[in-house]
Amino acid sequence: DAKTTQPPSMDCAEGRAANLPCNHSTISGNEYVYWYRQIHSQGPQYIIHGLKNNETNEMASLIITEDRKSSTLILPHATLRDTAVYYCIVSKRGEKLTFGTGTRLTIIP
Amino acid sequence: DGGITQSPKYLFRKEGQNVTLSCEQNLNHDAMYWYRQDPGQGLRLIYYSQIVNDFQKGDIAEGYSVSREKKESFPLTVTSAQKNPTAFYLCASSIPGQSNEKLFFGSGTQLSVL
Repeated sequence: DAKTTQPPSMDCAEGRAANLPCNHSTISGNEYVYWYRQIHSQGPQYIIHGLKNNETNEMASLIITEDRKSSTLILPHATLRDTAVYYCIVSKRGEKLTFGTGTRLTIIP
Repeated sequence: DGGITQSPKYLFRKEGQNVTLSCEQNLNHDAMYWYRQDPGQGLRLIYYSQIVNDFQKGDIAEGYSVSREKKESFPLTVTSAQKNPTAFYLCASSIPGQSNEKLFFGSGTQLSVL
């Protein structure tokens, strides 16, 4: 059972904000939303996570809807190095994470 | 530099041969994981260990074995029973149970069958 739904691919112009959506309509109250990304032939890299409040760090912002059924990862000024597969994962704290197929984001020069 | 080291980067296996993939971490993390990734697919969990001398099967453990004799090391053996071993293997570690738990990954080992 897939807990999240993401578009398979997206393009974004360099320098623009990249907005990556994720649907998680069956999320339970104690499940967090995690985002990772994987650059080609490397291990995934943690980006950000949240429970219900919006979060921001040096890499990205995470916007979670009030009903928590969807979220958006925002890369404010995309660069070519942001080209990667982005994974949205829903999990309880302490549980092992399950990675789906994610969204392949391509930054266009 | 703290991190996770996987070796080798590329590995070739002959038919009927066992091969062992190395994973070492100096992050002082209790939990370690092995994932398998096939082209264009997500990551599937093979084995994980929450503490030294203990490990559990993940979703696709058949044909694989692990050991956890030291906190820093979690080697994965791909046995001859694994009929389709060609894949990208990723090792990860984390601090279990913390509210901001996140996985730290190694750079992976590409295993191919000759």
